[in-house]
Amino acid sequence: DADVTQTPRNRITKTGKRIMLECSQTKGHDRMYWYRQDPGLGLRLIYYSFDVKDINKGEISDGYSVSRQAQAKFSLSLESAIPNQTALYFCATSGSSTDTQYFGPGTRLTVL
Amino acid sequence: AQRVTQPEKLLSVFKGAPVELKCNYSYSGSPELFWYVQYSRQRLQLLLRHISRESIKGFTADLNKGETSFHLKKPFAQEEDSAMYYCALRRAGGFKTIFGAGTRLFVKA
Repeated sequence: DADVTQTPRNRITKTGKRIMLECSQTKGHDRMYWYRQDPGLGLRLIYYSFDVKDINKGEISDGYSVSRQAQAKFSLSLESAIPNQTALYFCATSGSSTDTQYFGPGTRLTVL
Repeated sequence: AQRVTQPEKLLSVFKGAPVELKCNYSYSGSPELFWYVQYSRQRLQLLLRHISRESIKGFTADLNKGETSFHLKKPFAQEEDSAMYYCALRRAGGFKTIFGAGTRLFVKA
């Protein structure tokens, strides 16, 4: 089945470490997104990409960077992790502006 | 500014009781409204969208532009409905989706 996968599923790291979260999809979608989920705040958009050559900041991009290595891959990096980046991170894809989003299983990141 | 408000963080009902999860939005243009659901240990998935005007798993939601609301309703709640529900908004034809903070529904036996 076409799917959206995320690695790792869980990660504990220390303040100041560099962390990369990876997302892969087999849906053939052009659009990919990174969100973080915090209790009481819902999902907030970090970065989004319409294709390999197009990357855009979302509402909370500070402290994060992304790389769209291929149509199927979209990575999120925390260059120097801090404790308030502890959250559940979701990758999502969509095929077009009228399509809904399809989410990955999430990555639970804890920064100590 | 675009905003989605879900006033209830937690909603607890008995099995067989009606349930309504509230969603209000703030948007100046023509929005598309969605309800997403996240069951325990599962990924977030679309439940329904207003333009489809469909009923999924017994849930319906009507867009009320006058009250800027998109409440999710089900006449008889089931235990398997227990989950986290997110209301979301997107500009018609757009791509960026704004999510509410979510409401956790707990259906008691």
